[in-house]
Amino acid sequence: GNSVTQMEGPVTLSEEAFLTINCTYTATGYPSLFWYVQYPGEGLQLLLKATKADDKGSNKGFEATYRKETTSFHLEKGSVQVSDSAVYFCALSGWSGNTGKLIFGQGTTLQVKP
Amino acid sequence: DGGITQSPKYLFRKEGQNVTLSCEQNLNHDAMYWYRQDPGQGLRLIYYSQIVNDFQKGDIAEGYSVSREKKESFPLTVTSAQKNPTAFYLCASNGGGQAGELFFGEGSRLTVL
Repeated sequence: GNSVTQMEGPVTLSEEAFLTINCTYTATGYPSLFWYVQYPGEGLQLLLKATKADDKGSNKGFEATYRKETTSFHLEKGSVQVSDSAVYFCALSGWSGNTGKLIFGQGTTLQVKP
Repeated sequence: DGGITQSPKYLFRKEGQNVTLSCEQNLNHDAMYWYRQDPGQGLRLIYYSQIVNDFQKGDIAEGYSVSREKKESFPLTVTSAQKNPTAFYLCASNGGGQAGELFFGEGSRLTVL
C-alpha cells in the first residue's frame, strides 16, 4: 500500500543553518505530495505542495521538489530561524477517489537554537 | 474568518466514560476527517465523511463513532470500547478544489485518568 517515510528526528540546528528533511514515498498512480508544519499545541498547516513530477513547491523560504525517479520530496531551507522550530510532516494523497484522504509520515521535529 | 473550530481543547475522562469531541467548520467544505496523533506515529485516520449523512471508517475506527447530520459539523465520540484513548485528536476538512489540501483545526487533547 501507499506509505511515507521521513527521516527521524529531532533535527537540531543553529540559526541560519541549512535544513534538509528527507521524505520518500511508496505509491501507485500519481499522488500529490505535501509538507505540513505543526507548531507546539496547534493543528497542522499546509506549508507547500506539488501535484506532479518535477513540480517544486515553495513557501516561506522552504522548498521541495517532486522527484518521481527517486520517489522523494525532500524539504529544504537555506537559512533556518528559531521561529521555524516545529514538527514537519510529509504526506501524500493516498486515494484517487477522494483527494482529501492523506497518508502522513511520522513527523520530524526541528529545533533551531539561537 | 473561515476555519475549523474544535472543542474542547483539553478534556479529561475517567475510564469507562464516553466523550464527544466537537468539530465545526464554516468553510463550506463537503469532506471532513478525524485524525489521531500519537508521539512518533504521525497521524492516523479514524473516520471521514465526504458528504452529509454519509461517513466511512478510516484505518483505526474501532472504539470511535461519528455523525454527519449537518455540513458544518462532524463530532467524534470516543467510546469506552477504545482501549487507549489518550491522544491528540485533529479534525480537518477539504473543499475538493486543490488536490488533497486539508485544513486543520487546532486539536483536542484527551487524557484518560
